[in-house]
Amino acid sequence: EPEVTQTPSHQVTQMGQEVILRCVPISNHLYFYWYRQILGQKVEFLVSFYNNEISEKSEIFDDQFSVERPDGSNFTLKIRSTKLEDSAMYFCASGADRDIRNSPLHFGNGTRLTVT
Amino acid sequence: GDSVTQMEGPVTLSEEAFLTINCTYTATGYPSLFWYVQYPGEGLQLLLKATKADDKGSNKGFEATYRKETTSFHLEKGSVQVSDSAVYFCALSDAGGTSYGKLTFGQGTILTVHP
Repeated sequence: EPEVTQTPSHQVTQMGQEVILRCVPISNHLYFYWYRQILGQKVEFLVSFYNNEISEKSEIFDDQFSVERPDGSNFTLKIRSTKLEDSAMYFCASGADRDIRNSPLHFGNGTRLTVT
Repeated sequence: GDSVTQMEGPVTLSEEAFLTINCTYTATGYPSLFWYVQYPGEGLQLLLKATKADDKGSNKGFEATYRKETTSFHLEKGSVQVSDSAVYFCALSDAGGTSYGKLTFGQGTILTVHP
């Protein structure tokens, strides 16, 4: 069964550094998402992306965050200047349909980001 | 705004015990409801869903019924196995709005099943 792949599985970075988290969604999917889970807290929606533009973003997704689909297969999340509070597990997801009642989201295994 | 509340964990059961994980929600529209499961070292996987009131979702022996009157979507399984040990997330999508692909999650419940 096709799956969403995320790399790296664990990223350690220093505060203030830029970090790029990478995802390869399922190949025929058109809708892409990033979620994150701070340790001990809920999984939170960050952003949705379709047709090379952001569809929706949460209040967490400020100017320090950006997303890109640079080459038709990868989907990246960039954090320009990381803060300690950005430490979390970041999940990429993709879907074949905007309406997830028809087509469920498929999640990757996550990238654990640790900011020191 | 939308929110999901799950019962506090962790939950520890013996094999073949009955499982209930409570989930209640608050939503402004007509949400669809989901249970996702995360096995150790893996991503979240859809376990089951229900898209309207009184629907029952089921999969792998797990069931949950969409109860609009009590705004609940409790997960049940009659006889758990060691392989069911995982983290279970209740989630909703506000299908009445524009955020079709956006899920609002509960805090997750860790289930451990002992032989």
